[in-house]
Amino acid sequence: DTAVSQTPKYLVTQMGNDKSIKCEQNLGHDTMYWYKQDSKKFLKIMFSYNNKELIINETVPNRFSPKSPDKAHLNLHINSLELGDSAVYFCASSLGLAGGINEQFFGPGTRLTVL
Amino acid sequence: AQSVAQPEDQVNVAEGNPLTVKCTYSVSGNPYLFWYVQYPNRGLQFLLKYITGDNLVKGSYGFEAEFNKSQTSFHLKKPSALVSDSALYFCAVRDSWRGSTLGRLYFGRGTQLTVWP
Repeated sequence: DTAVSQTPKYLVTQMGNDKSIKCEQNLGHDTMYWYKQDSKKFLKIMFSYNNKELIINETVPNRFSPKSPDKAHLNLHINSLELGDSAVYFCASSLGLAGGINEQFFGPGTRLTVL
Repeated sequence: AQSVAQPEDQVNVAEGNPLTVKCTYSVSGNPYLFWYVQYPNRGLQFLLKYITGDNLVKGSYGFEAEFNKSQTSFHLKKPSALVSDSALYFCAVRDSWRGSTLGRLYFGRGTQLTVWP
């Protein structure tokens, strides 16, 4: 029983294409996140949603658009992909409002390669 | 500004020896501190956290961490390392001050732990 799942696991695409990554959690959590991990393993938050509402929006290009159809899902759509978007993208979730004391549960990651 | 520093990119220890992975932090208010572990090609897994109370926190897989407010540190420790502990370890901090940027966890750059047989 996967707690936080992401699809696809690997994504290889050409520059300029549009792609989506899906995330689902079955933990009943209220808050979901997207992180980007670069080639040096540095982890940085991109977005956070609480009960389908955007609460954290880091300085990411407008080409990145998160969508939360319900509190169990947080998808990431990326337009006009660039070489620099190549990274591993992690979805995560936590119980309660972001900013609380609860730990985050991470998905397995989606390795995006832009050629 | 909030930040986390992991001063060592790599830590190498022999199996059976104690290990320490260092972390220092900077926050405006009281910190919430976390340790996560990442195995190759996997997502991060929660190990332990300090919120309040006892400065020594025990977590998964025999790991523990000591919160030291005066030194603003939260070092991860284990008395006897295993080869299977080899992984990338991340320290993270969140400011508990109400009104601070909600939910934002600040991660260190990670420390690669290698335990050799």
